[in-house]
Amino acid sequence: NAGVTQTPKFQVLKTGQSMTLQCAQDMNHEYMSWYRQDPGMGLRLIHYSVGAGITDQGEVPNGYNVSRSTTEDFPLRLLSAAPSQTSVYFCASFAAVGTGELFFGEGSRLTVL
Amino acid sequence: DAKTTQPPSMDCAEGRAANLPCNHSTISGNEYVYWYRQIHSQGPQYIIHGLKNNETNEMASLIITEDRKSSTLILPHATLRDTAVYYCIVRVAPQSWGNTPLVFGKGTRLSVIA
Repeated sequence: NAGVTQTPKFQVLKTGQSMTLQCAQDMNHEYMSWYRQDPGMGLRLIHYSVGAGITDQGEVPNGYNVSRSTTEDFPLRLLSAAPSQTSVYFCASFAAVGTGELFFGEGSRLTVL
Repeated sequence: DAKTTQPPSMDCAEGRAANLPCNHSTISGNEYVYWYRQIHSQGPQYIIHGLKNNETNEMASLIITEDRKSSTLILPHATLRDTAVYYCIVRVAPQSWGNTPLVFGKGTRLSVIA
């Protein structure tokens, strides 16, 4: 089992560029979510999804877009990158039925110049 | 979901028990206490969770007070590898999640010292 896989692990962008962070899970989890973590801070929720075709905003959604066309994939799109979006991004998933344990990816470190 | 309060940092000597407190005075009857930890810059890792009874697994023990307003995560024999940020989270039962995802605070930075 690969669990939750994020790509890329590192990315440098220029202000105004767009890109997509990929997240895939092979555990058939209904719930998926994206968090960002700034230096010395806790995790903040960006967007989440409770199933294919259903997404919703978290605490800090501005500047990001998501879609959930399949159960496995939950990409995060940066529409026009800004230096304030320099952060480490984590994707997580969990099953609708079970203990509620979140499974996290290894993170994607993004720098916007 | 109820809010939690944790000390920002703690130290623990290697080999000793690490006791990490968490205050959740506004917890509701159907809310669970979850603990996660984040080692360096890795993704957070689930440790344990409970409702009202004390819980133990291979990683840690969770002690919840009788009034459920606070809890303590215990790492019985802390090692240097346990140095991490520990998050205490309170949320409703899994079967009642609906559209409420997990929200993390700033946690407690535990430093295990040799």
